[in-house]
Amino acid sequence: AQKVTQAQTEISVVEKEDVTLDCVYETRDTTYYLFWYKQPPSGELVFLIRRNSFDEQNEISGRYSWNFQKSTSSFNFTITASQVVDSAVYFCALSEANAGNNRKLIWGLGTSLAVNP
Amino acid sequence: DTEVTQTPKHLVMGMTNKKSLKCEQHMGHRAMYWYKQKAKKPPELMFVYSYEKLSINESVPSRFSPECPNSSLLNLHLHALQPEDSALYLCASSQVFSRGDYEQYFGPGTRLTVT
Repeated sequence: AQKVTQAQTEISVVEKEDVTLDCVYETRDTTYYLFWYKQPPSGELVFLIRRNSFDEQNEISGRYSWNFQKSTSSFNFTITASQVVDSAVYFCALSEANAGNNRKLIWGLGTSLAVNP
Repeated sequence: DTEVTQTPKHLVMGMTNKKSLKCEQHMGHRAMYWYKQKAKKPPELMFVYSYEKLSINESVPSRFSPECPNSSLLNLHLHALQPEDSALYLCASSQVFSRGDYEQYFGPGTRLTVT
């Protein structure tokens, strides 16, 4: 069955520290898509990245980077030199290509990140 | 600025009231979604519209009634809600729903309180 596990419920760091948020997934499909979303205290879910199962290249976007490893079924997210504005709940999600009409996102429980000044 | 808008931002309603939540997207997307999110939980899918037709209803109680008047608009009509329906209601859109590879863009949500 599909499943997304974010083992870290809460993380607290001091500004400028690097922090990695873990995401481990389970799927039977060979074609699937992984996503990260950010939800700040305002409530809006903000799309950060999509990765498909055929593309294992790491991605960097400014202070954000993602490490996708199919061998360990992980899609981890690192924030370099964290800032207070990074404080939010971060969700990892999975979508399978061959789930028929039940192609909904499978969400992890989220990791709440607090960046303290 | 988000390209998915939702109104109202906050709503307080009694259990006998009828109200509607509204969502609009300006990205030309053909799939639209309603989610319910309780505090400290991930969003739960309620409904999916694809090309203005209801594609998925996740066994949502009939006191929630979705409507998609056109490709840009999505409504959620509420009637006879229960206090446990209090939550953040999020609208989202994506290019299509035919495959799982399109990211969803979310609106700011409506925070609903049922008294």
